[in-house]
Amino acid sequence: SSELTQDPAVSVALGQTVRIVCQGDSLRTNYASWYQQRPGQAPVLVVYHENNRPPGIPDRFSGSRSGDTASLTITGPQAEDEADYYCFSRDISHDHHWVFGGGTKLTVL
Amino acid sequence: EVQVAESGGGLVQPGGSLRLSCAASGFTFNIYAMTWVRQAPGKGLEWVSTISASGVNAYYADSAKGRFTVSRDNSKNTLYLQMSGLRVDDSAVYHCAGGVVTTNSYGMDVWGQGTTVTVSS
Repeated sequence: SSELTQDPAVSVALGQTVRIVCQGDSLRTNYASWYQQRPGQAPVLVVYHENNRPPGIPDRFSGSRSGDTASLTITGPQAEDEADYYCFSRDISHDHHWVFGGGTKLTVL
Repeated sequence: EVQVAESGGGLVQPGGSLRLSCAASGFTFNIYAMTWVRQAPGKGLEWVSTISASGVNAYYADSAKGRFTVSRDNSKNTLYLQMSGLRVDDSAVYHCAGGVVTTNSYGMDVWGQGTTVTVSS
């Protein structure tokens, strides 16, 4: 399948740990990148090549992969982490195509 | 400062055409694969098209193939998206984004704020 599947919504208490998952066949052989999008803003890359952070991204964000599932973990989320999160990877059903997951809305309680 | 800025959006009738531009600055544009991503109101992100760093290779989502053409001018640090045969469901904010592509990974670390395309009669 070319799809990347994400849970539509996840909630976490302030300071706890939350894992946002992305499932798809392409993740068995390709890495996901993860994007944070706050309301009204452009997406921001938070993790790439499975578990690398761009400069300026806090180390509470980390990535991992197991089988057909990639995960974005936020350890001790802050209020400002409330946002939509999207995974992104190759679409293995089409040569040279890419695909986003449907997005997960994270609520920090 | 790393920056990309889109322009060229607007209101167009179904079947019409638009050309979007994305001006880049503050990074080495000619080593970045560049991508157009769109987001319809209240919806998620959708990959539209990617062009290689050199501009030799271009790839399109099925929804864009045959109607959209991506190009770039590395001498001007500018990315383009020529859109024709526009449909109502092409209405969205169009972002340009870029990053380094590997065989099995693509992290887009540069994003613009987007330009709005509205297709309506």
